Amino acid sequence: AQSVTQLGSHVSVSEGALVLLRCNYSSSVPPYLFWYVQYPNQGLQLLLKYTSAATLVKGINGFEAEFKKSETSFHLTKPSAHMSDAAEYFCAVSVAGGGADGLTFGKGTHLIIQP
Amino acid sequence: SQTIHQWPATLVQPVGSPLSLECTVEGTSNPNLYWYRQAAGRGLQLLFYSVGIGQISSEVPQNLSASRPQDRQFILSSKKLLLSDSGFYLCAWSVVGTQYFGPGTRLLVL
Repeated sequence: AQSVTQLGSHVSVSEGALVLLRCNYSSSVPPYLFWYVQYPNQGLQLLLKYTSAATLVKGINGFEAEFKKSETSFHLTKPSAHMSDAAEYFCAVSVAGGGADGLTFGKGTHLIIQP
Repeated sequence: SQTIHQWPATLVQPVGSPLSLECTVEGTSNPNLYWYRQAAGRGLQLLFYSVGIGQISSEVPQNLSASRPQDRQFILSSKKLLLSDSGFYLCAWSVVGTQYFGPGTRLLVL
């Protein structure tokens, strides 16, 4: 079985500062890893995904994440925060190949952008 | 391109009333379909998934049920709602492992 831990339920950064959202996973088989963003009262939008190709994955809106097997991590970063980045971010894992049994999500990190 | 629809967007129901939430996907064939529930501060919980018409797998015991009467239609139901059924319900689809989510239905049970 797989699991995901997101460190920090709330992260606050200043506009223009580096964004770092932490995600650690546990999986007995090679994982597929995902980051999703959720704006208030909306569904989840896929930011980026790791599927065993390049370890540094670039996504939409300037976000990227690096898969580090030795640290079992998949942290999300953005060099310069924008006010529009304020949202809930979810890290998720599935077994390689996706599987039909759904994703396992972390509990989410609420990103706050200070002006 | 593929799109996923959910309705209604918002629903307020009394305890003990029935429930029917609908999800439809356009632009793809034979997708895997999923129902998740998101409760405040608790992340997302997978409720049901389906790999084909009439094939439903349940992840957690509850008073909810799901059905897939057509390839691209997924329905979440309950005969009698409980207060604890309140939450944000999300439908998702996948074909090659990546899941794409609908806009969600917010359910408030009073």
